[in-house]
Amino acid sequence: DGGITQSPKYLFRKEGQNVTLSCEQNLNHDAMYWYRQDPGQGLRLIYYSQIVNDFQKGDIAEGYSVSREKKESFPLTVTSAQKNPTAFYLCASSSQEDEQFFGPGTRLTVL
Amino acid sequence: GESVGLHLPTLSVQEGDNSIINCAYSNSASDYFIWYKQESGKGPQFIIDIRSNMDKRQGQRVTVLLNKTVKHLSLQIAATQPGDSAVYFCAETPSPRYGGSQGNLIFGKGTKLSVKP
Repeated sequence: DGGITQSPKYLFRKEGQNVTLSCEQNLNHDAMYWYRQDPGQGLRLIYYSQIVNDFQKGDIAEGYSVSREKKESFPLTVTSAQKNPTAFYLCASSSQEDEQFFGPGTRLTVL
Repeated sequence: GESVGLHLPTLSVQEGDNSIINCAYSNSASDYFIWYKQESGKGPQFIIDIRSNMDKRQGQRVTVLLNKTVKHLSLQIAATQPGDSAVYFCAETPSPRYGGSQGNLIFGKGTKLSVKP
């Protein structure tokens, strides 16, 4: 089945620790995105990538980093510099002529 | 700044009734609009989209209306069912859909739809 997957579903982080969220798609989409969603809020763009080995900052990139070494994969690292990382993280992908398809999300909690 | 917003944060309807969810946008350069449905703890699902050169688009039980004069977008759900209970987001992008970047898709805060049996 074609789709976009995220892992883990739940993630717990200690203060000062970096964590990496996985996002994989087998839809052959060029573009991939990371969003953050806080309770009762809409989605805010963290980073996006339109092509392998290239990515751009979104509205709230501080404290996050990404890589795009493969077309299928777009991992997001939440660094210790992100002071309020507890949120629901959503990955999406799209072709140039299509809407964005979302993964199931990863819920990150800081202990 | 320019942003997408919603008129109502919550909407409660009776099963079988029609639902109308509204969205206001302020970016006159927006070219492409999408409605997403998000169930609790899940990622958003695409429902329907519309380009700025259209006023209306219909899908299965859903219709999106675009009024560019007042910068208003609405989602109509016919014969609302319990499975329609979710948060609905509108999203806009000022970039052309074809050949353009969707990196700047802007989401509203969402409307929670509750369907009473």
